[in-house]
Order: sequence, then C-alpha cells, then structure tokens
Amino acid sequence: SQQGEEDPQALSIQEGENATMNCSYKTSINNLQWYRQNSGRGLVHLILIRSNEREKHSGRLRVTLDTSKKSSSLLITASRAADTASYFCATGGTASKLTFGTGTRLQVTL
Amino acid sequence: KAGVTQTPRYLIKTRGQQVTLSCSPISGHRSVSWYQQTPGQGLQFLFEYFSETQRNKGNFPGRFSGRQFSNSRSEMNVSTLELGDSALYLCASSLTGSGKNIQYFGAGTRLSVL
Repeated sequence: SQQGEEDPQALSIQEGENATMNCSYKTSINNLQWYRQNSGRGLVHLILIRSNEREKHSGRLRVTLDTSKKSSSLLITASRAADTASYFCATGGTASKLTFGTGTRLQVTL
Repeated sequence: KAGVTQTPRYLIKTRGQQVTLSCSPISGHRSVSWYQQTPGQGLQFLFEYFSETQRNKGNFPGRFSGRQFSNSRSEMNVSTLELGDSALYLCASSLTGSGKNIQYFGAGTRLSVL
C-alpha cells in the first residue's frame, strides 16, 4: 500500500519556472528520499533527507522535511525540459523497504 | 562502477505460465529489493534479500518468490501468471539494506501477461 499522497498529481510549467511538489506520509520515518522516473523506466535517486534534518539542497533541488506534519516538499528551481518526469517520495524505516508516494507527473514545456 | 542490471527488459507471457526475472546489483552491494509498479497500485515492495536470505516481504501471494546467490545476484519468479501481474518490475540494490542507505534502481523488466 502507498505510504501517502503526493500533491499535485500533475504539474505543467514552462521552462525556467520553479516546480514544487509535496509529499505526505503516515508513519514515523528514518529518512525520506526523492526519486525521478522518466517514462516508465527505472527510478533515479535524487536526494535523501534524514529525519533529524529540516532542509537539504542539491544543485537545483531543495527538499524540506517537517516530521511534525509528516510532510516533505521538493522544489526544482529554473526547470528545464529535461526535468519532465514523474517524481516520487519514498520513506524508509529501519528495514530496507521503501514505501512510495503516488507520484507527481511534471511536464516542463519550452 | 556499473549500475543495477535487470534482464530481460521486456517479456510477454500468457496466463498460467511462469517467469523468472534477473537482477545484478552494483558491485559490493549485498542487499537486493524488488518492487512492482502498476498504474493502479503504484510502486509496491515485494521482498528484500540480503546475504542469500529473504529479510523482508511485502503483501504479495506465494506465487511471487525470489532468491539471491552468493554473488548477490537475485532472481524473482512468478508462477501461474495472472493478467494482473502485468507490471514493471524494478530491482534495487543497496550496501546493507538498512533503511538509512540509498537504494539504486535498475531500468526494470516490463512484463506483459496476455
């Protein structure tokens, strides 16, 4: 079963704009990870944020985590057409199992 | 370092048949996890193997099984295929399988059951 919901389900923006995706989860976590998936292919790991961290940056990506609200957000700044993909949050506990959100489909147009 | 390799990339089977999917993890990674992705259910955890032992299992019927070899390569088997087994099957490897580790995914095997 899905850990939680991602919002929005779909997002369409123009190149150069920022894209923000939100993720909510249900149980306590050890960390939260964001993955990208291009058109039904494998998942590419983007960033991992630990439960004791509140914000993390990686290039054009900024992730926040609010454990009190059980939510996270992924911000992609200055989006490019190549960022078009589905984005998933995944929560990890002590075991290896990742529990994924429902995903956000991002479309970046020229 | 080579990434996670899954073979084959595509498979077409008919109902009632059985299928075996293969996954070669990143060198040095000892944990291999399998996930099923469908439009209706999304990404769901099947099972995880570490040092040739199944360590975690998701909520899938016994028709789904797997194993891991001494070189950490893993296989997943689905017996008596049903139409609903059509999905993208993803394999992921990590160093120790701890929830603290990043999991690296292969490109997946797309299974179509007719």
